[in-house]
Amino acid sequence: AQKITQTQPGMFVQEKEAVTLDCTYDTSDPSYGLFWYKQPSSGEMIFLIYQGSYDQQNATEGRYSLNFQKARKSANLVISASQLGDSAMYFCAMRGVQGGSEKLVFGKGTKLTVNP
Amino acid sequence: EPEVTQTPSHQVTQMGQEVILRCVPISNHLYFYWYRQILGQKVEFLVSFYNNEISEKSEIFDDQFSVERPDGSNFTLKIRSTKLEDSAMYFCASGKLAQGTDTQYFGPGTRLTVL
Repeated sequence: AQKITQTQPGMFVQEKEAVTLDCTYDTSDPSYGLFWYKQPSSGEMIFLIYQGSYDQQNATEGRYSLNFQKARKSANLVISASQLGDSAMYFCAMRGVQGGSEKLVFGKGTKLTVNP
Repeated sequence: EPEVTQTPSHQVTQMGQEVILRCVPISNHLYFYWYRQILGQKVEFLVSFYNNEISEKSEIFDDQFSVERPDGSNFTLKIRSTKLEDSAMYFCASGKLAQGTDTQYFGPGTRLTVL
């Protein structure tokens, strides 16, 4: 079974600073994908970034980067130059490539507040 | 940019009533999903659907739930007899592939309130 753990219920950061949101995972799948989604107060789920377990480099998408440490089973999201609009819930999720399961398994999320 | 759409955005119903939540996935996607999020909790998988049949379902997805793709564009979730504990945000998602490397794109959600 796959499991995602997000240990930070809430995080605060000053505008323009960088912030790291933690995510650890557990899986027996030899190949898997890791995802981060943003959920603003309006409720929608917005895809941010993806990391494959066999990718040689850490994923980056604009101000978002993923600090992937496979041996430690961690996939932390780094947001650089935080903006007020980054205030939201952030969910880490994973999905096995093999084993037949198609579902995303989510963590409990981290609420990020960006202060002016 | 193509996106997943869901209607209605908010549905209020009485306990025991049937509700149908509607979704229009991204047009070239083949795999469709429903997830739910009880207020303040994490997102939970309900069901996946491919080639007009359920490919995977969770233990939450019991006989009260059903899914259907009635035409080439819509994907629906029906709850036959709603319970108070069905109150949640329901998300539809779609993806091109069923593999772990493929991203699932979510709709804006339907907030279901059961009174």
